[in-house]
Amino acid sequence: DTEVTQTPKHLVMGMTNKKSLKCEQHMGHRAMYWYKQKAKKPPELMFVYSYEKLSINESVPSRFSPECPNSSLLNLHLHALQPEDSALYLCASSQDGNTDTQYFGPGTRLTVL
Amino acid sequence: AQSVTQLDSHVSVSEGTPVLLRCNYSSSYSPSLFWYVQHPNKGLQLLLKYTSAATLVKGINGFEAEFKKSETSFHLTKPSAHMSDAAEYFCVVSDPDSWGKLQFGAGTQVVVTP
Repeated sequence: DTEVTQTPKHLVMGMTNKKSLKCEQHMGHRAMYWYKQKAKKPPELMFVYSYEKLSINESVPSRFSPECPNSSLLNLHLHALQPEDSALYLCASSQDGNTDTQYFGPGTRLTVL
Repeated sequence: AQSVTQLDSHVSVSEGTPVLLRCNYSSSYSPSLFWYVQHPNKGLQLLLKYTSAATLVKGINGFEAEFKKSETSFHLTKPSAHMSDAAEYFCVVSDPDSWGKLQFGAGTQVVVTP
């Protein structure tokens, strides 16, 4: 089973709201990723967690706050977002870092009003 | 440094005809190469992966890709397109020291006409 699940599927929020995106995998993978994808563009890496520790932050604004409570779960906490943050947010996982295959979830479509 | 160039941003094929999606890469090492497909409003699905075991890689749904080191290419083909193949396709490279950072091509949109 190579399934990564993400909730919610869709999220609409105002600029003053606080919300969270959730990602889960049960493949025993030790690396998890958050990506942001704008329409007609490839995904852009935001964060990488390796063995539950943040290993890469691609200079993402602090209004995005990742959290890895355990090896199966990855959250992305959102606060004071801007309309330009509207995008598809994808989670992925891999056995380990480096050249391991990344398996993607279906994404959360976020709209910021 | 790694980079990926997908030579066609848009490919249109008739159902039942062959599909060719072209990808060139640049890498300082022996990279891993991937093709992913993304249907509208969906996540990315892995089609196939090259990791130096064999130059011709077979993937899911009848797709295959050939790694040509001399041409630094990793083109994706399918002998007979199906309507369900209409999607965005991404060629992706990963270097051994990239620590999980994938380099995506810009994507190729495939349209399949009846």
